[in-house]
Amino acid sequence: GQQLNQSPQSMFIQEGEDVSMNCTSSSIFNTWLWYKQDPGEGPVLLIALYKAGELTSNGRLTAQFGITRKDSFLNISASIPSDVGIYFCAGLEEYNNNDMRFGAGTRLTVKP
Amino acid sequence: DSGVTQTPKHLITATGQRVTLRCSPRSGDLSVYWYQQSLDQGLQFLIQYYNGEERAKGNILERFSAQQFPDLHSELNLSSLELGDSALYFCASSVKGGTADTQYFGPGTRLTVL
Repeated sequence: GQQLNQSPQSMFIQEGEDVSMNCTSSSIFNTWLWYKQDPGEGPVLLIALYKAGELTSNGRLTAQFGITRKDSFLNISASIPSDVGIYFCAGLEEYNNNDMRFGAGTRLTVKP
Repeated sequence: DSGVTQTPKHLITATGQRVTLRCSPRSGDLSVYWYQQSLDQGLQFLIQYYNGEERAKGNILERFSAQQFPDLHSELNLSSLELGDSALYFCASSVKGGTADTQYFGPGTRLTVL
C-alpha cells in the first residue's frame, strides 16, 4: 500500500542538538502518530495527534498535526544518546481509515 | 513494555515450510493488527481483526492467513515460505480498532527463511 513520505531518511547529530523530521501525504489524514523503534524491539508510541493544528509534547518531544492535514512534524530538543533509534510516522487517511499508513522511518544517530 | 506479547521471538525455517506466529493483545483490547517489517519495505500492514472477525486487509499474500480466537489472542499462519518472507512480524493491539484508536506494538517475531 501507499506509504507516507518521511524525511530525512537518516540523521547524524551531536548530543545536545535539536532534531526535526516530518511526514507528508498526498491525501488528507485524520490521525497522525509518531513511534520510536529501538533495535530488535517493536515500535513504541511517542505522540498521538487527532486534530489539525494540534501541538502535543511528550518531554523533549513535540509533534504537530499540520493545518493542511497532509503533514506532521516531530521535533526532539536537546538530544541525548538514548534518543538513538528509528522514528516512524503513521497515520489514518480520512477517506480510507481501514489501515494505518507508515513512513519509511528516520534513523537517528546521536554522537556523545 | 506495551502489554502485547508475541511468540516465538525468533523462528528459523526452510523454504516451503509453514509456521504459526502467536500474539496476545493488551488486556481489554479487542482489536489485533499484523504487520510485516523487512529491510527494504518498512512497516507493511497485513490484516486486522476485531473481536474475532476480520475488519481490514492490507498487503497480505494469499499464502498468509490469520485468525483471532474467542480469548482474543491471534495467530498469523505463513505457508509455502519463500526466502523473501524473512522479516520481522509485529502484532499490535488497540481497544476498539476504530479510526482514532492508538495501536500498541508487541516486540515482534523475527522470521528467517533459509
